[in-house]
Amino acid sequence: NAGVTQTPKFRVLKTGQSMTLLCAQDMNHEYMYWYRQDPGMGLRLIHYSVGEGTTAKGEVPDGYNVSRLKKQNFLLGLESAAPSQTSVYFCASERGAGELFFGEGSRLTVL
Amino acid sequence: DQQVKQNSPSLSVQEGRISILNCDYTNSMFDYFLWYKKYPAEGPTFLISISSIKDKNEDGRFTVFLNKSAKHLSLHIVPSQPGDSAVYFCAARSSNSGYALNFGKGTSLLVTP
Repeated sequence: NAGVTQTPKFRVLKTGQSMTLLCAQDMNHEYMYWYRQDPGMGLRLIHYSVGEGTTAKGEVPDGYNVSRLKKQNFLLGLESAAPSQTSVYFCASERGAGELFFGEGSRLTVL
Repeated sequence: DQQVKQNSPSLSVQEGRISILNCDYTNSMFDYFLWYKKYPAEGPTFLISISSIKDKNEDGRFTVFLNKSAKHLSLHIVPSQPGDSAVYFCAARSSNSGYALNFGKGTSLLVTP
């Protein structure tokens, strides 16, 4: 049982490049989330989804887009990467009552 | 504005002693609180939770206490073990205002032998 899998785990981008982070979960959870973690900032919610075909903005959505075409996948896109988007990105799915299962994280560096 | 605050960035405790991690919140609408634990290079993992209708929840060595009047919760680990060394995040949610968990900045716990 893989749980929540994020790809890629590491990526270096140049300013202005685009990329997509993929999150896959095999627990049949409805709710999925993308967070970013920055030093001294804790975890901040970027976007979330409460089911296939639905997405919503979180606390820090600017510069990101998401899609949930299939229940098991939640994609996070950066259309034009900026150095401020250098961060560790965590995807999570929820079993219920706030119990989130997180992936191992994707470390993104934007030069 | 940070609605969940963990004012101690780090804590060091001797093995076998009690670890107490504190968390304060400002939003009186929060009605569910959780603690997550995170090891380096891994994602956070759920540890324990408490509903606002309770003031204590216990799970093995871990106990969470909630003081609603003070808008304060704490996580007690007894006895502390070296494997408990990790970053602990406090999180809170309001069932009336969406699904997002609000996380604190975390407290790094070091348990020394």
